[in-house]
Amino acid sequence: AQSVTQLDSHVSVSEGTPVLLRCNYSSSYSPSLFWYVQHPNKGLQLLLKYTSAATLVKGINGFEAEFKKSETSFHLTKPSAHMSDAAEYFCVVSRGGTASKLTFGTGTRLQVTL
Amino acid sequence: KAGVTQTPRYLIKTRGQQVTLSCSPISGHRSVSWYQQTPGQGLQFLFEYFSETQRNKGNFPGRFSGRQFSNSRSEMNVSTLELGDSALYLCASSFREGTYGYTFGSGTRLTVV
Repeated sequence: AQSVTQLDSHVSVSEGTPVLLRCNYSSSYSPSLFWYVQHPNKGLQLLLKYTSAATLVKGINGFEAEFKKSETSFHLTKPSAHMSDAAEYFCVVSRGGTASKLTFGTGTRLQVTL
Repeated sequence: KAGVTQTPRYLIKTRGQQVTLSCSPISGHRSVSWYQQTPGQGLQFLFEYFSETQRNKGNFPGRFSGRQFSNSRSEMNVSTLELGDSALYLCASSFREGTYGYTFGSGTRLTVV
């Protein structure tokens, strides 16, 4: 079984300040982990993925995440928020390999203010 | 290259009717998955197809079904629609089955009245 918990349903930051979106996972197997972003009325866009290679994963638009097995965490960070980052972010876990079902977290809405 | 195309974008149906949603994956992608997104339940996995075979299925009633054609295009069908089926239905494609990176379409917004 696998699950993912996004610890904050809503995060608000000022433009130019760091972003931290928290995610904890549970998996009976070595997991694959992902962060997706969804802008209003749009589909999901892959930000980054961890698939048992380097534990620090760099993604698009300046985002990165660190896989910490001891803490079962996969937090998403960005050094400096931009207005265009305002969206819903989903942490996703999968069993990995050829087991394909994605299990989504409940999402974190990121608000960026001036 | 073209992304994942879902048609139609919006759909309004009446309770008891049935509906078919279509998904055209990225060229060369052979795996197609379907997800339902609702405010109450979030994103839930429906099923995945690879090379015309259903590989995985989520916990949805039998009213939800799907299929994949030889050109990898996929359709999802919901029969005897209920109000609770109102949702955004998202399709995702991948080069092969498994989580080697899924690309999502923009979804079909289904409203059941």
